[in-house]
Amino acid sequence: KQEVTQIPAALSVPEGENLVLNCSFTDSAIYNLQWFRQDPGKGLTSLLLIQSSQREQTSGRLNASLDKSSGRSTLYIAASQPGDSATYLCAVRPRDWRGGSEKLVFGKGTKLTVNP
Amino acid sequence: DGGITQSPKYLFRKEGQNVTLSCEQNLNHDAMYWYRQDPGQGLRLIYYSQIVNDFQKGDIAEGYSVSREKKESFPLTVTSAQKNPTAFYLCASRPSGYLNQPQHFGDGTRLSIL
Repeated sequence: KQEVTQIPAALSVPEGENLVLNCSFTDSAIYNLQWFRQDPGKGLTSLLLIQSSQREQTSGRLNASLDKSSGRSTLYIAASQPGDSATYLCAVRPRDWRGGSEKLVFGKGTKLTVNP
Repeated sequence: DGGITQSPKYLFRKEGQNVTLSCEQNLNHDAMYWYRQDPGQGLRLIYYSQIVNDFQKGDIAEGYSVSREKKESFPLTVTSAQKNPTAFYLCASRPSGYLNQPQHFGDGTRLSIL
């Protein structure tokens, strides 16, 4: 059974710092991994999607990496800003011939606070 | 702009009452999903639909029902059989047949018990 873990559960940093959020998964049979941002009381905003054949994806100050063999992904945020404060979730899409590929498996998220 | 619209934003349920959460999308996506989010837990899949007039149970379907009469709409009914309905409910969609495409989410409905 695929499980996704995000450590730490919460992180507080000063503005301007570069930071890394971690995501690990137990089964390497995945189609892709997706990073989301969730603001309090809001839905999920997709940040980056990495296909299983890719090593990394970049969007602006965000860079996500994927090491499928070790079951790990990182989200790197450069020059953090107070507006980056949110909960960051990662999710994998399992490669499941039994029909389980429709379900994204989510981690519990890392709550990031960037202090001015 | 294309997107997913969930309504209402807040909903209150009385004991023994069924309530329906609305989800509408204009992205022309075939696949739609309902997730439940509880504090400190990851999102859990309730139901999903890959095509009109067809839907499948997710991990926590008990106490919930759905319909998919139109491509754009995937309403979720929380029945009185769901004993712990208080949660944040999220609707999502994805182009069908493309498992390498990202899922898009609505802004959610928060359901509470009166």
